Amino acid sequence: DAKTTQPPSMDCAEGRAANLPCNHSTISGNEYVYWYRQIHSQGPQYIIHGLKNNETNEMASLIITEDRKSSTLILPHATLRDTAVYYCIVRVHEGGTSYGKLTFGQGTILTVHP
Amino acid sequence: DAGVIQSPRHEVTEMGQEVTLRCKPISGHNSLFWYRQTMMRGLELLIYFNNNVPIDDSGMPEDRFSAKMPNASFSTLKIQPSEPRDSAVYFCASSFTGQETQYFGPGTRLLVL
Repeated sequence: DAKTTQPPSMDCAEGRAANLPCNHSTISGNEYVYWYRQIHSQGPQYIIHGLKNNETNEMASLIITEDRKSSTLILPHATLRDTAVYYCIVRVHEGGTSYGKLTFGQGTILTVHP
Repeated sequence: DAGVIQSPRHEVTEMGQEVTLRCKPISGHNSLFWYRQTMMRGLELLIYFNNNVPIDDSGMPEDRFSAKMPNASFSTLKIQPSEPRDSAVYFCASSFTGQETQYFGPGTRLLVL
């Protein structure tokens, strides 16, 4: 799986949008971009994933650049409960069988301030 | 939906003792994963089961670690004998083939003295 690079930490004011960048310059054509987060003392939680189109769900939006070498996770209105470590992961989807290995990096510690 | 269930939530043991961690995946899921998290190494995959069969155990640190999945609703991770460097949080996750989301349990915090 391609390596990802994320800033070690970011701050955001409550109510503002949090934009978390991820660089994955060596991503290959069959690798998806995934985002998980881990709130303190909890297991990781899936947020969103995409291949090349921008994606949005109830939690966040994922913006992938046209060359797919980087992406941004957007939390539109950050709350204190969004304080967590955010992991950007690239992963192959292997046909009809999803070999589910997730390789976690160090992630970005997002701190949302009142 | 109860989610992935792990037990115990906390375990303190002495070096040399056997430790058994348990996991009940989400009903209907056919893939199960054991991860370990430490400050030094972060989150790392130990072993992956699909349809109760171990597919990839390349992350299992050494022979002291073993994992079983006797049926679709139960898995164990055993450490025998335990060592202080095994102290970590152990997570179990499950998913369904064709769905790309893994659901993680709350973890077991293991401290080996």
